[in-house]
Amino acid sequence: NAGVTQTPKFQVLKTGQSMTLQCAQDMNHEYMSWYRQDPGMGLRLIHYSVGAGITDQGEVPNGYNVSRSTTEDFPLRLLSAAPSQTSVYFCASSEGTGPYTFGSGTRLTVV
Amino acid sequence: GESVGLHLPTLSVQEGDNSIINCAYSNSASDYFIWYKQESGKGPQFIIDIRSNMDKRQGQRVTVLLNKTVKHLSLQIAATQPGDSAVYFCAEGGPNSNYQLIWGAGTKLIIKP
Repeated sequence: NAGVTQTPKFQVLKTGQSMTLQCAQDMNHEYMSWYRQDPGMGLRLIHYSVGAGITDQGEVPNGYNVSRSTTEDFPLRLLSAAPSQTSVYFCASSEGTGPYTFGSGTRLTVV
Repeated sequence: GESVGLHLPTLSVQEGDNSIINCAYSNSASDYFIWYKQESGKGPQFIIDIRSNMDKRQGQRVTVLLNKTVKHLSLQIAATQPGDSAVYFCAEGGPNSNYQLIWGAGTKLIIKP
C-alpha cells in the first residue's frame, strides 16, 4: 500500500513550457485534489475530483487542467508555465467525508 | 482563514509542557474539521479530525476541541516533544464545499529544550 504517489519530486521548467504532474493512489479513494503551497503559506485548492470522470475547479484553477479517467490517477497539466506557478504542488485523496492523505509533493520552479 | 504570508504565527513551548494551538474557522455550514502537521519539506500529515456533532475528541497525546458557538477549534498536544516541531494547519469542510478542505494559515510550533 503506497498511499499517494507523486512524480516528479522536483522539476525546473522554462516559461511557456508544458508539463504534467502525476498523481496516483492505491486506496480506491473517490475524492482526489490538487493543491499548491507557496512559501510560508497554507494550501490553496487548484482542482478536485469526486470520482472518475468528474472534475471541478478550486480556488486557483487558472493555468491548470485536470482529468480523471480512472479512480487511481489524477494528473495535473500546466499548459504554458509561468514564473507565478513556481510552487510546491501536493496531491491528496480521500474516501469522501474523511481525512485526506497527501503525497510528498512536487517542487516546481519556472524560470 | 486569511493567510499571513511569510510571517506565520509562532508558538514556542518548553519540551514536556502542553501546547495549545488555536484556529478560527469561517463557515457556519462546515461540519467537518481537521488538523494536519507539516514538517519541513514534507506533505501534510493527518493528526486528528472531529465532526460537528461532537465538541471534543481525543487521540494519542492530542485532543481537539470544537466550539461551534464562536467558530473556534483548538488542538492540544500533551507533553510536547522535539518531534512535535512543525507547522500545524486547521481545515474545515462541509456540504457547501463538497467536502473540499478550506485551510487556515498555519501555526509554527517551536519546542525549546
